[in-house]
Order: sequence, then C-alpha cells, then structure tokens
Amino acid sequence: DTAVSQTPKYLVTQMGNDKSIKCEQNLGHDTMYWYKQDSKKFLKIMFSYNNKELIINETVPNRFSPKSPDKAHLNLHINSLELGDSAVYFCASSSWTGEGDTQYFGPGTRLTVL
Amino acid sequence: RKEVEQDPGPFNVPEGATVAFNCTYSNSASQSFFWYRQDCRKEPKLLMSVYSSGNEDGRFTAQLNRASQYISLLIRDSKLSDSATYLCVSSRSSNTGKLIFGQGTTLQVKP
Repeated sequence: DTAVSQTPKYLVTQMGNDKSIKCEQNLGHDTMYWYKQDSKKFLKIMFSYNNKELIINETVPNRFSPKSPDKAHLNLHINSLELGDSAVYFCASSSWTGEGDTQYFGPGTRLTVL
Repeated sequence: RKEVEQDPGPFNVPEGATVAFNCTYSNSASQSFFWYRQDCRKEPKLLMSVYSSGNEDGRFTAQLNRASQYISLLIRDSKLSDSATYLCVSSRSSNTGKLIFGQGTTLQVKP
C-alpha cells in the first residue's frame, strides 16, 4: 500500500550516460513534483506537473526532462549525466488547491555519477 | 541570502529536555508555513502546519510571527525518537503549490 514509490532506489552510473527515474503515486493526487537534495541537504524543487501539465520549471539544465504520461506518474529523464548531478532525487505528490498543501514524498533515488 | 533560513545545528539535548528551533523567511509574499521532519536517509514527512494563532500537537508547538517573519517549533519532553532533521517550509500565495525548504535543523536527543 505504498503511497508514493520511486524506482530505482539507488543508481550508480558513469558520466555521459542517460538515465531515467520513475515515480508513481496511488493517492489520487493531481499534482506531482521532482525535488533534488544535494550534499548540503538543501531540498530544491525542479519540476511540478498538475494534471499532466507542467506548472513549475525551475532553473534546471535542459538535460533534465520530466514526463507525465498520466496523473499518477511522473518520470525524470537525465541526459549526459555530470558529476554535479549526484544527489538524492525525491518525487512528491499533493492535491491541488494552489496553496502549499501537504506533499507526500517518495523514498528517494540516490544517484551517484562516477 | 536563502529565502528560508535555519540554524543547521546540530542541537544535542538530553531526553526530557525542551528544545526550540527558529526559522526566518525573507519573502513577505509567503502565505503558508510548515514543519517537515526528515530522518537520516529517508524522505521528508509533514510534521505540522503553522498558523498565526499558533498550533499544538502533543509535545510539539508551532508558532508564526508574520511581523518579524519567523516561525518557531517547540518540542517538549524530548524523546530519543525525536532525533531527526526538522525542515522549515514556506509557500507563496500563487497557484503553483511550490514549497521553499530551509536547510533543516538537526536534533540529536541523547539518553
């Protein structure tokens, strides 16, 4: 009965590779997010989708491309991985009211770029 | 300057102690505020929302001071299980649901 799930949990890859992280939520929420938590522990939003529509796109390199096939899924594809991409990536979801509603986070994907 | 600032700590306290964390925010357009808790190598989870009138949930009390633009979290009778990082979070009055996270304050409760 996992609420927000992410795969894989760990990802170790070489510089220059392309990789994807998948996220699924079974909470019936209509908004999903991707966050990056770096080594200094700052959690920063990258993207947000509401009903499959992109509503937040922070200053993120265009090597990062989110895709939302439906309300319950939000995937993150990263091209040409760089050392600085090493971080924990969290997916989250919430109901949409426009205010800062409770966001439920997935367990995170720990990405290490060698 | 970060939009939400917290003292990263760590705060090392004995069991049973009362500990308080403060957080300041710089954007006066911030409307909603929260405290999230993050255990080591885990995802953040909502601890409580913060209202101007103050709110309490068991041993936890949160307070918001809009005039001074700071938020506080008070933990009474600390338990070992309270050891975690506490994230102060704000949200602006826009229609994006975007949350701004502070760096977090680390609490270590010792026996």
